[in-house]
Amino acid sequence: QSALTQPASVSGSPGQSITISCTGTSSDVGAYNYVSWYQQHPGKAPKLMISDVTNRPSGVPDRFSGSKSGNTASLTISGLQAEDEADYYCGSQTTFPSVVFGGGTRLTVL
Amino acid sequence: QLQLQESGPGLVKPSETLSLTCSVSGGSISSSGFHWGWVRQPPGKGLEWIGSISYSGNTYYSPSLKSRVTLSVDASKNQFSLKLISLTAADTAVYYCTREDRSASDYWGQGTLVTVSS
Repeated sequence: QSALTQPASVSGSPGQSITISCTGTSSDVGAYNYVSWYQQHPGKAPKLMISDVTNRPSGVPDRFSGSKSGNTASLTISGLQAEDEADYYCGSQTTFPSVVFGGGTRLTVL
Repeated sequence: QLQLQESGPGLVKPSETLSLTCSVSGGSISSSGFHWGWVRQPPGKGLEWIGSISYSGNTYYSPSLKSRVTLSVDASKNQFSLKLISLTAADTAVYYCTREDRSASDYWGQGTLVTVSS
């Protein structure tokens, strides 16, 4: 199974909105509503930000939202804050119940 | 609050076997509906899913690692374990244990760096 495709980097200014895409296939992202997104700060373990495409775990700000269309999932962060600067990874269920991750996107807050 | 903690050697020689254990506290590993997984991250690179195991012992492995990985669970100790054989330098990574809920890893250990070197 191949890794999901994410842009290597995105950037935005404080207060702006950004979207990170995650493109898979009809065997993973397109087949299941089990797409998740993770935030990872340097030297730290990843943190779950979105599960089941759109579900935001308790404690995650509502500035973070997820969506999916066909084989592509997206993470949108609105009202960017300096603390949002981090690496972001998507993950998807594939051929039950295997999991595949994206290559990661570095978000820079200008 | 559920907590996970990895333990095991930080340095392993090439061709040898890596054994890691994840200790779960603040909850039972026998809770139904969850899987217990392993994810690794080579230095400076992205996440790679290794596999997961249910509390009843059903195992699921990454196709690329399936021939070298074995997961097990010890409910009496509230622990689960990873064994990876025939190590090479490419297996050098931070290894995380996780709890999986419908394929999403909602709890993570702090991670343990494993270096494969002679």
